[in-house]
Amino acid sequence: LAKTTQPISMDSYEGQEVNITCSHNNIATNDYITWYQQFPSQGPRFIIQGYKTKVTNEVASLFIPADRKSSTLSLPRVSLSDTAVYYCLVGDNTDKLIFGTGTRLQVFP
Amino acid sequence: DGGITQSPKYLFRKEGQNVTLSCEQNLNHDAMYWYRQDPGQGLRLIYYSQIVNDFQKGDIAEGYSVSREKKESFPLTVTSAQKNPTAFYLCASSFDHLTYGYTFGSGTRLTVV
Repeated sequence: LAKTTQPISMDSYEGQEVNITCSHNNIATNDYITWYQQFPSQGPRFIIQGYKTKVTNEVASLFIPADRKSSTLSLPRVSLSDTAVYYCLVGDNTDKLIFGTGTRLQVFP
Repeated sequence: DGGITQSPKYLFRKEGQNVTLSCEQNLNHDAMYWYRQDPGQGLRLIYYSQIVNDFQKGDIAEGYSVSREKKESFPLTVTSAQKNPTAFYLCASSFDHLTYGYTFGSGTRLTVV
């Protein structure tokens, strides 16, 4: 049963790059890694998804090492509006879908 | 606009009463999910459905029931057997259960009074 581990919280300042790492030691061969962002009292919003190496979109980058046992979400030049909870999601081979504990990112002026 | 709609946004229930939360999607997604979120906590899976007329229990199914009579709809009933039902409930859908990402609804906040 795949599980994920993330830091509980992180602080940053506007304009800085933020890297959030997710550990998923039991990731299955066919699983993808997906990150979501959630603001208070809202549903999570899809940020980025990857399988291996590096994926980049207009919002973030996702770095996945060769062994795929971890992944790092990179947010370039964060702003106050990036203050949110970030979840790492991986599949597992028992068909149960598990969210990580989530990382609460606080961006300061 | 394609999307997933949850209603109502806020719901109050007296102890001992059953209540049904609505979730409708027009994304033509096969899979649908219900999650529960408590204050300051992550999401926990209640039930999920991969196809019509079929659903599976998640990690915290006790005290909840679901149905999937139509592809577009996946209502969740919170029964009186659920001992601590006050929470934020989120519905999601995806093309299939192994292909992420999910599209989430805006949630229903249930309060037992």
